[in-house]
Amino acid sequence: EAQVTQNPRYLITVTGKKLTVTCSQNMNHEYMSWYRQDPGLGLRQIYYSMNVEVTDKGDVPEGYKVSRKEKRNFPLILESPSPNQTSLYFCASGFEGNSNQPQHFGDGTRLSIL
Amino acid sequence: GQQLNQSPQSMFIQEGEDVSMNCTSSSIFNTWLWYKQDPGEGPVLLIALYKAGELTSNGRLTAQFGITRKDSFLNISASIPSDVGIYFCAGQTRNAGNNRKLIWGLGTSLAVNP
Repeated sequence: EAQVTQNPRYLITVTGKKLTVTCSQNMNHEYMSWYRQDPGLGLRQIYYSMNVEVTDKGDVPEGYKVSRKEKRNFPLILESPSPNQTSLYFCASGFEGNSNQPQHFGDGTRLSIL
Repeated sequence: GQQLNQSPQSMFIQEGEDVSMNCTSSSIFNTWLWYKQDPGEGPVLLIALYKAGELTSNGRLTAQFGITRKDSFLNISASIPSDVGIYFCAGQTRNAGNNRKLIWGLGTSLAVNP
């Protein structure tokens, strides 16, 4: 089954404690992306990747890092999380590397930073 | 910056009714995408539109790419309870660096009374 898998689905942690949200897709997609979803603000893009070793900033990249060492994985790293990063995060993938069009989304990771 | 106005913000309808929602902008887009998000899940791509004037259907859903390239419409015919969810539009353009940027609407929340 074609899917985008995020882990963990839920996490409560404290300010400053580094965390990583993993994202993996099994569709051999070139494009992957991270979004955060907040009430009243909709979906905002954090980072995206058009292919392996190629990453670009989205609209709200501050406080986040990503890497794309292999095609299937695109982890989101919060080096020093802060409460304003409490949000619902989605990873997405798409088959066309240069399109920046998400076609498949994961089920989300709800992060609470205390 | 570029913005999308999605309306209505919410709708409450009777099962069997037709639904119409739209997204408008002062900017020109070269792609329009429509997604649906069920509670607790990530968005699912419903329809993608690539040409001005294009009309595309997916089952009971029909979407159109406005002729001015500044708007798009999504219609749902004969609504059923499983149509409940939040519908998002997204328009894509190229920014100054020739990178493709996706702008999201804030969603239309649809409730269907059986």
